[in-house]
Amino acid sequence: ETGVTQSPTHLIKTRGQQVTLRCSSQSGHNTVSWYQQALGQGPQFIFQYYREEENGRGNFPPRFSGLQFPNYSSELNVNALELDDSALYLCASSLHGSGGLRTQYFGPGTRLLVL
Amino acid sequence: AQTVTQSQPEMSVQEAETVTLSCTYDTSENNYYLFWYKQPPSRQMILVIRQEAYKQQNATENRFSVNFQKAAKSFSLKISDSQLGDTAMYFCAFMKHGGNQGGKLIFGQGTELSVKP
Repeated sequence: ETGVTQSPTHLIKTRGQQVTLRCSSQSGHNTVSWYQQALGQGPQFIFQYYREEENGRGNFPPRFSGLQFPNYSSELNVNALELDDSALYLCASSLHGSGGLRTQYFGPGTRLLVL
Repeated sequence: AQTVTQSQPEMSVQEAETVTLSCTYDTSENNYYLFWYKQPPSRQMILVIRQEAYKQQNATENRFSVNFQKAAKSFSLKISDSQLGDTAMYFCAFMKHGGNQGGKLIFGQGTELSVKP
């Protein structure tokens, strides 16, 4: 069984640039969620993708956008980067089915630094 | 809106002893899930234990167990026979069952646990 993977592991960008982060879900999972974790804080929900559509969004501006592909992998795109976007970005995959517990399993994260 | 509160920013315990981490939450939902995740220095978020709100029996996973008090909205984690590898940040998390925003994890601020030899 393949776990959740993310790329790249680290990234440095400058303010105003755009960035794309990638996530491959665990085998058998069909849902991907993205979280932002600032230093010293708990993760904050950005959005979730299921069947290639956004399925819930947190309190993040539209410059945070995403995609899910037919193989359930996902991308997080952030435009017009700001200094406050510096954080660890976590991807989690889960199996969305008819009811039941949708435990989310996390990838190792991408650490983004905006200068 | 749901909130999760972890009132202990830091805790320490001697190896082989028992420690309990506290978590309280606020929700008007009746059907939900609760989780404890651990995040070691490697930053990988690892599931420790989970609890369905409709189950009265407390979940256990080897050395890890929870005390789930639904009426009090309390969900504490007990770690028995603490090991050096348990050193990590521990996050309590809430997930609503289904509907709008179902599947979204709401995390507490975390408790940093140090296990000392």
